[in-house]
Amino acid sequence: DIQMTQSPSSLSASVGDVVTITCRASQTISSYLNWYQRKPGKAPKLLIYAASSLQSGVPSRFSGSGSGTDFTLTISSLQPEDFATYLCQQSYSSPQTFGQGTKVEIK
Amino acid sequence: EVQLLESGGGLVQPGGSLRLSCAASGFTFSSYAMSWVRQAPGKGLEWVSAVSGSGGTTYYADSVKGRFTISRDNSKNTLYLQMNSLRAEDTAVYFCAKNGYNTGWYDYWGQGALVTVSS
Repeated sequence: DIQMTQSPSSLSASVGDVVTITCRASQTISSYLNWYQRKPGKAPKLLIYAASSLQSGVPSRFSGSGSGTDFTLTISSLQPEDFATYLCQQSYSSPQTFGQGTKVEIK
Repeated sequence: EVQLLESGGGLVQPGGSLRLSCAASGFTFSSYAMSWVRQAPGKGLEWVSAVSGSGGTTYYADSVKGRFTISRDNSKNTLYLQMNSLRAEDTAVYFCAKNGYNTGWYDYWGQGALVTVSS
């Protein structure tokens, strides 16, 4: 199975900050990398698919980049509603696997 | 608006069975593959199973192969997961998820159904 490693596991940031989260795959996955947002008690929400494509309805402050094994999710100006856990997922090969998550907390 | 609503979770003894359902609305159900993803307490998300839009092709994680069966009734817009020979390690919140068209990402998820396997 392909292992997905996110860093950091958590971070503290303030409203307006630029936040960068990294996801590394244990082997190349081309651009088959997707990002989700999770809030307690709510269904996960797709933010970015295919490494850099913004899901419809997702604010443009979210962006993704990378290919191969290294990927980044960037929030350009953190908003109060963005405090959540962010997960990456590879859809290159079965079984699809997820990163362990990065919790973004209020500083 | 796309909605996915899971039901059927609960407490079951080891070795027992349970069937989860996921009622879908807001999209052409038969056109999309559907999946089940779970999260055990303190663990990350784990893909469990997937089924093609027609229901003719199914996929399973090794951890559930031979014990779980995924199916769908396109006339009822409902996805199912029949879980047999349940083990303590199957305890998790089970999410129903809609795959993007011909893709491996999940563009909509349900709220989840808690399955607890314990004596």
